[in-house]
Formats: sequence, C-alpha cells, structure tokens
Amino acid sequence: AQSVTQLDSHVSVSEGTPVLLRCNYSSSYSPSLFWYVQHPNKGLQLLLKYTSAATLVKGINGFEAEFKKSETSFHLTKPSAHMSDAAEYFCVVSEDSGYSTLTFGKGTMLLVSP
Amino acid sequence: DVKVTQSSRYLVKRTGEKVFLECVQDMDHENMFWYRQDPGLGLRLIYFSYDVKMKEKGDIPEGYSVSREKKERFSLILESASTNQTSMYLCASAVSGANVLTFGAGSRLTVL
Repeated sequence: AQSVTQLDSHVSVSEGTPVLLRCNYSSSYSPSLFWYVQHPNKGLQLLLKYTSAATLVKGINGFEAEFKKSETSFHLTKPSAHMSDAAEYFCVVSEDSGYSTLTFGKGTMLLVSP
Repeated sequence: DVKVTQSSRYLVKRTGEKVFLECVQDMDHENMFWYRQDPGLGLRLIYFSYDVKMKEKGDIPEGYSVSREKKERFSLILESASTNQTSMYLCASAVSGANVLTFGAGSRLTVL
C-alpha cells in the first residue's frame, strides 16, 4: 500500500528566502511522485513529476524536488520565495500508471510575508 | 490547454435535497475523477470512471453516486444531501495510462 506524509501543515517564509516543503512517502513499488499547487479558490495545478528518470526534477515557477530513495523523501524547494508562491502544496504518490489512483498528502500551506 | 469545467462554483442546499455536480472536459480524456477536499484531510477519491458508463468506487463512495453517459461529462450525485457533505468537490481528468491529472476549479457545496 502507498502513503504520503507532508511533515508540515504550515510553512512561513519571507519574500526572497528559500522554501522547503517536506514530503515522505511509502510505496511497495517504484513510485511516481508529484507536487501540485492550489492557489486560493482555484483547482490544483501540476508543479512537477518524478518517474524514475533523473532524481532531481525541475518544475514550473522555479520549484524543484529531489527524489531520495534511501530516505523515502521527495522534498520541494525553491531558492527564493515570491509573494505569488503563497498557496497550498500537495505531495502525491502513485504506484499505478493505469487508472491513475493517486494518494494525496494532507497539504502544506505556504505563507509568504513581505 | 486541457480544460476541466465545473459548472457550479458555489452551491447552498438543504438537508435531504438531491444535488448534481457537473463536470465537463474538452480534451477527449478517457479517465475522470471526483475528489472531495477538506481542510487537514487533503483530497479523497470518491469515484472515478475510465470509460463511458463505467465507474469505480474510490475511498469514500458512501452517500454519492456518479453518472457518465458521455465521454466528456462526469456527474456527481448526492441523492440526499447531509450536512457532513459540506465540502469542496474537485473534478479531474486524465489520459488513459497516464497518472497526471488536470483539475477543475472546484465546486464548494454547503448543506444547511
């Protein structure tokens, strides 16, 4: 069975400082891993996806994530936060490439202050 | 760009009413999904469909049903709404064999 744990429900940063959103996963197989972002009153948008190619995955808006199998982690980072990054972020794991049954984390709210 | 459109952004219904939430996608995706989103719980899968007239239960199907009469349209039905179904409902679609979802903007349902 697969599961995902987002270690922080809220993260607060100042504009211009680095962002780190933490995610640990559990999977019996080689998983696919994703980060989605949800801005207020919007649907979820794919930030990036890992599918067993390069362990460092680059996404949109300057975000990237590193797959570390030994630590079962897939943390999301950005060197310098922007006010527009304030949103909720979801880490997602999938063992199945067929019918797209995904397991979502509970989300991390990123707050960015001026 | 793929578009997933949820026709109602905000609904307020009374306990016991029948509620229809409609979702339409315009990119010929085979798979469609309904999720429920609650604070602190993330997204939970209610039902999904991999073809017209086909449906599969997700993690929390109780109190819900779905209909997929056309490939582009996937409806979520609450036969008798209850207050614990007050939530944000998200529709998504995906190409068959792919696990990247495209989401609609959501329908926020309040049941009084």
